[in-house]
Amino acid sequence: SAVISQKPSRDICQRGTSLTIQCQVDSQVTMMFWYRQQPGQSLTLIATANQGSEATYESGFVIDKFPISRPNLTFSTLTVSNLSPEDSSIYLCSVEPGANEQFFGPGTRLTVL
Amino acid sequence: AQSVTQLGSHVSVSEGALVLLRCNYSSSVPPYLFWYVQYPNQGLQLLLKYTSAATLVKGINGFEAEFKKSETSFHLTKPSAHMSDAAEYFCAVSDHGSGNTGKLIFGQGTTLQVKP
Repeated sequence: SAVISQKPSRDICQRGTSLTIQCQVDSQVTMMFWYRQQPGQSLTLIATANQGSEATYESGFVIDKFPISRPNLTFSTLTVSNLSPEDSSIYLCSVEPGANEQFFGPGTRLTVL
Repeated sequence: AQSVTQLGSHVSVSEGALVLLRCNYSSSVPPYLFWYVQYPNQGLQLLLKYTSAATLVKGINGFEAEFKKSETSFHLTKPSAHMSDAAEYFCAVSDHGSGNTGKLIFGQGTTLQVKP
C-alpha cells in the first residue's frame, strides 16, 4: 500500500492566478497520476507523471494549463494555471506501488472566484 | 476504447438490507475492474479489484463483486447495509498493460443512502 498526502487540502483562488498542488508519497513509486473531479462528477485523468520523463497528458488537457513536475520518486506537483471558475474541482493524485492497485490521496478542493 | 456505466446515480436502502450497485463495462482487452468508495470530503479507497483471477472477488467492509464476462458486468453487493456504508461508489476499468493498471476510467458514480 501507500500513504499519500496532498497540500493544500483546499484553497480559494482568484480568477487569473495559479495554484500549485503538492503530492507526497511515503514510498518510492514509478507511476503517479493526477485526476480531476468536477463538482458532482466522476474522476477524469489529467496526466501520468513518471519520474525521469515528461508527463503524458490526456486528451483535453495541455501542459501550459496543467504543468506537472516529478523531481523524484516520492513527490510531484500539479499547477493549475490561469484559473477560471470552470477549474473549480477536486484534484487528486494517485500512485501505483505495485500489485495492480492505485492508491489515492485525500484530494485538493479548489474554488475559483 | 474502454468505458464504464453505473446504472443508478442514487441508490437508497434500509439498514440491514441488501446493497446492489450495478456496473457494466466495455473493453477491447480482458479488463481489470475496480470498485472504489469515497466518503464525504475524503479521497478514494479501494474496496476490491478483479485482475483476471477468481471471478468472485471479496473486498473490505463485507463487500464483494462478481465478474461476469457474458454480461460485461461487475456488480457490487453487500448482504446487509450499515449506516457507515453511506458514501459515493465508483466502478473503474483499467487501461492496463505491462503489468500495471495505468489509466483508470471511472463510471459516473453511485451515491448510496442508508436509511435507519
